[in-house]
Amino acid sequence: AQTVTQSQPEMSVQEAETVTLSCTYDTSESDYYLFWYKQPPSRQMILVIRQEAYKQQNATENRFSVNFQKAAKSFSLKISDSQLGDAAMYFCAYDDMRFGAGTRLTVKP
Amino acid sequence: DAGITQSPRYKITETGRQVTLMCHQTWSHSYMFWYRQDLGHGLRLIYYSAAADITDKGEVPDGYVVSRSKTENFPLTLESATRSQTSVYFCASRRGFSGANVLTFGAGSRLTVL
Repeated sequence: AQTVTQSQPEMSVQEAETVTLSCTYDTSESDYYLFWYKQPPSRQMILVIRQEAYKQQNATENRFSVNFQKAAKSFSLKISDSQLGDAAMYFCAYDDMRFGAGTRLTVKP
Repeated sequence: DAGITQSPRYKITETGRQVTLMCHQTWSHSYMFWYRQDLGHGLRLIYYSAAADITDKGEVPDGYVVSRSKTENFPLTLESATRSQTSVYFCASRRGFSGANVLTFGAGSRLTVL
């Protein structure tokens, strides 16, 4: 069965700085999707970014980008120019079937 | 209203009682999912459905029952609630199987079992 591991329970970043959240996964499949979701205090789950495994180019959405390393089964999220509104729980997910335990991101003004 | 709605948003019940959490979506999405969220575990998939009358188990299905008689509804039933089922439950839907279709979540239902 696939597993998803987020090794950083909590992270902190200064406003306007850059932070990277880590995610590793395990699978025997060759084609799949990986996702990062954001969950603010409102509890609503919001899709941040997604990556299809067969695409070598790393996905980018405005200030959010990923570093996808298929061979290493690593899928990290980089948030540039961090804003106060980025403070939330972030979950890494494999094909919407398996989620990591989450990383709580704090943004300091 | 368009979207995906869960009810009730909050529920307190007692051990052994039957509880049903409702999920309704207005997009006619074929895929629907139920997750539970617990501290330290992230979201764990309970059941999912690919279409009306088609359901399949996820990672943690024990103690739960689902049905999908209509495309737009996907109720989750706890036939005999236990304290370990205290959690926040999320329903989600997606148009198709591929991850190219975005998964949209409901607002969540917080269930407390005393």
